[in-house]
Amino acid sequence: DAGVIQSPRHEVTEMGQEVTLRCKPISGHNSLFWYRQTMMRGLELLIYFNNNVPIDDSGMPEDRFSAKMPNASFSTLKIQPSEPRDSAVYFCASSLGQGTIEQYFGPGTRLTVT
Amino acid sequence: AQSVTQLDSQVPVFEEAPVELRCNYSSSVSVYLFWYVQYPNQGLQLLLKYLSGSTLVKGINGFEAEFNKSQTSFHLRKPSVHISDTAEYFCAVTYTGGFKTIFGAGTRLFVKA
Repeated sequence: DAGVIQSPRHEVTEMGQEVTLRCKPISGHNSLFWYRQTMMRGLELLIYFNNNVPIDDSGMPEDRFSAKMPNASFSTLKIQPSEPRDSAVYFCASSLGQGTIEQYFGPGTRLTVT
Repeated sequence: AQSVTQLDSQVPVFEEAPVELRCNYSSSVSVYLFWYVQYPNQGLQLLLKYLSGSTLVKGINGFEAEFNKSQTSFHLRKPSVHISDTAEYFCAVTYTGGFKTIFGAGTRLFVKA
């Protein structure tokens, strides 16, 4: 089992550019989570999918952020346009169920917006 | 509002000493409790979890945690730490019937030689 796969691992971009982060959950998992981690705000849940359907996107900070899950094995988090305050580590996690089951985290994407 | 409080942001400790990382959550309704560990430049990985049953839960790497419903706490302990335990530890709670897992702010454990 390869675990949760995220790409790219590092992304450096200029303010105003579009950024797309990618995630492949563990095969068979039906829940997928996107988190953002910063020193100031800690670990924040951005959006949660269950069976490819967005269940809760209340953590998405602004309309500049969007997430999709076109199928069970792929999800994207897009920021357009990016801003320096979006600099953070973005984690994708997947799990077999809703809440009672542990989440498996990917290695994260470190985003730097200059 | 539901919340998780990790009482210590940093815990320095000498190698082979015991350690306790404290975690409290905001409600006494039924909960599922987790501790995750994050090593530098890595994602979080599960240390242990409490779903039901015995209040003392054993996890990987010699860690254990005790669920105390009356105190709404789930403190993490290890009797003798190693240098390799240096990492950030996150307490997390899911309330029964909910789907969202709420994470604490994290406790950075620093083990000194």
